[in-house]
This record gives sequence, C-alpha cells and structure tokens, in this order.
Amino acid sequence: QVLLVESGGGVVRPGSSLRLSCAASGFTFRSFSIHWVRQAPGQGLEWVAIISKDGVNKYFADSVKGRFTISRDNSKNTVHLQMDSLRPDDTAVYYCAREHDHGDYFGFWGQGTLVSVSS
Amino acid sequence: EIVLTQSPVTLSLSPGERATLSCRASQSVATYLAWYQQKPGQAPRLLIYDASTRAPGIPARFSGSGSGTDFTLTISSLEPEDFAVYYCQQRSSWPPLTFGGGTKVDIK
Repeated sequence: QVLLVESGGGVVRPGSSLRLSCAASGFTFRSFSIHWVRQAPGQGLEWVAIISKDGVNKYFADSVKGRFTISRDNSKNTVHLQMDSLRPDDTAVYYCAREHDHGDYFGFWGQGTLVSVSS
Repeated sequence: EIVLTQSPVTLSLSPGERATLSCRASQSVATYLAWYQQKPGQAPRLLIYDASTRAPGIPARFSGSGSGTDFTLTISSLEPEDFAVYYCQQRSSWPPLTFGGGTKVDIK
C-alpha cells in the first residue's frame, strides 16, 4: 500500500536551516507529484510546496517563497524540503502528501514531522 | 488566491444525527473541491473529491454536493468515529492550493 514517511523535524533557532525528507513506497514514485502541507499547533492546514513528478516544476506558498526549496530523487523515491531562514511562524507539523489520481488533491499523507522554531 | 470559508466553525451534534457542513469559495472553483477528515494526532484523510466523488473506502453516509462557489458535505447519520475536524480544499486555481479553516464536529 502507499506509504509516506517524513523525517528531519526538530527544534531549531530562528534563522536556522532544516532539511525534511519524505520517503515513499507502495506506488510508482516517478509518476506522481508530491506536496508538502503544514499545520501550525491548533491551526488549520496550509499548503507549502509541490514538486512535479519529473522534478522540473516547483511551486511554493508566498509565505515560504525564497526561503524553502524542494527537490526529489526518483532513484531513491525521496523528496526533500530544504527550509532556510526559519522563523517562529514556520513552527508546524509538516506532512508530505501524494497527489491524487484525479488531480491536485492530497490522496495519501504521511504521519507528519514536527518543526519547532524558537529562541 | 481563492479563499474558502467554512461554516459553522463548530457543529455540536449527537450520534445518529445528520451533519451538514458548508464551504464557500471567493470565486468559482467549478467542481474542483475536496473534503478531508482529520482526527486528533492524525494526518488528514481524503473523503470526497471533485465535489461529490467518494474516495475509495469512504462510507456511503458521507456525501458531497455543490458547484461554483457553494459546497456541502453531508454526513447522513453520525457514527462515533465521525467526530473530527473537516476541511475543504480547492484545486481550481493555483498556486496556491487552498484550504478552508475547518469545521469541528463534536459530540453534543
């Protein structure tokens, strides 16, 4: 079955960097775009970024544009979210999610990894 | 950016009752709308996509309707496991993909 496992979260100081990973299995990885979605404590869901199946097209939320980058390695079934210049309002659980068969919905989700930015 | 507004924020109902959740878009999203369920400590789960199509494994008591700017998620008869937070999401115009603020269905 489809499995997405995030890793790399932790507690960091403002201005620091962190690299999240999403390891995928159970489907043809190179055939699907992958998204990152985050959820601040007690808050709703916020879409963060997407990388297309071939890694060519990448889009970001305005709140992270210029600070976050996204990449994928189709030989290792892995997506990375590089987060630089972290701010306290980046504190959230970060989920990776696979696009749905019928478009840019979030068909499958990982369990999430917590990023906490605090001085 | 398309803004999705969900109402009510909280819905207090008893098991067996019917739940009606609303999602309104700031501009037309045609039928490019999904609904998700999220329980505490868990990732969201896709319930409905393209406004009215149930995702695999989703019980028939969940149904979605609407088009354009007004959408409804209906749970025909609440089961104990349905008490959760529900989010709508549009894919009509992006980036960004956007979510509504959520509706919490809690036990009365």
